[in-house]
Amino acid sequence: GAGVSQSPSNKVTEKGKDVELRCDPISGHTALYWYRQSLGQGLEFLIYFQGNSAPDKSGLPSDRFSAERTGGSVSTLTIQRTQQEDSAVYLCASSFQVGGNNEQFFGPGTRLTVL
Amino acid sequence: SQKIEQNSEALNIQEGKTATLTCNYTNYSPAYLQWYRQDPGRGPVFLLLIRENEKEKRKERLKVTFDTTLKQSLFHITASQPADSATYLCALDMDGNNRLAFGKGNQVVVIP
Repeated sequence: GAGVSQSPSNKVTEKGKDVELRCDPISGHTALYWYRQSLGQGLEFLIYFQGNSAPDKSGLPSDRFSAERTGGSVSTLTIQRTQQEDSAVYLCASSFQVGGNNEQFFGPGTRLTVL
Repeated sequence: SQKIEQNSEALNIQEGKTATLTCNYTNYSPAYLQWYRQDPGRGPVFLLLIRENEKEKRKERLKVTFDTTLKQSLFHITASQPADSATYLCALDMDGNNRLAFGKGNQVVVIP
């Protein structure tokens, strides 16, 4: 079946612009995660959604970052007033449900470059 | 907070040999530990999950051990092949808050 898809694959924007990144999880997966990976760094947790529960936003680095998940499926990560330090690969993952005993399926990522 | 340590230096290994990677963690012991493979320009791919009450887990040429006393997991690739060249990430569950913390990864280069 189809895996996790993300769009766009690459995004170049100017400092101060807003960007939206999209994630389509695997059908039937109730948990959806967003991570950020800077060059040579590990995965930095940003936010996760589980079913209809309130999302865990504890990893969002500033109030310029927000995310929503509509209908328990597609998710959009929005970065407002982008800064150069926002440049990174943004990865989305989904799993059957939350918890460390569930493997996560990752999308290919969106490479964001802020000029 | 939980810290996860993986060797930052790439492991260069001759084809056919066994590659061994280490993942050390501090603070509390996780109930689950996972290993992922990441190729350049791609998202990580799940390989193995091991539970705290399991000492060892195998999948084909891969073997993972979990020592909660040492707070360490070892990841072995036996009979390594050039196609095994990638970065390998360990990930731990974060004490009841339903998310994983990832190490920075350890690169493996298998030399033909």
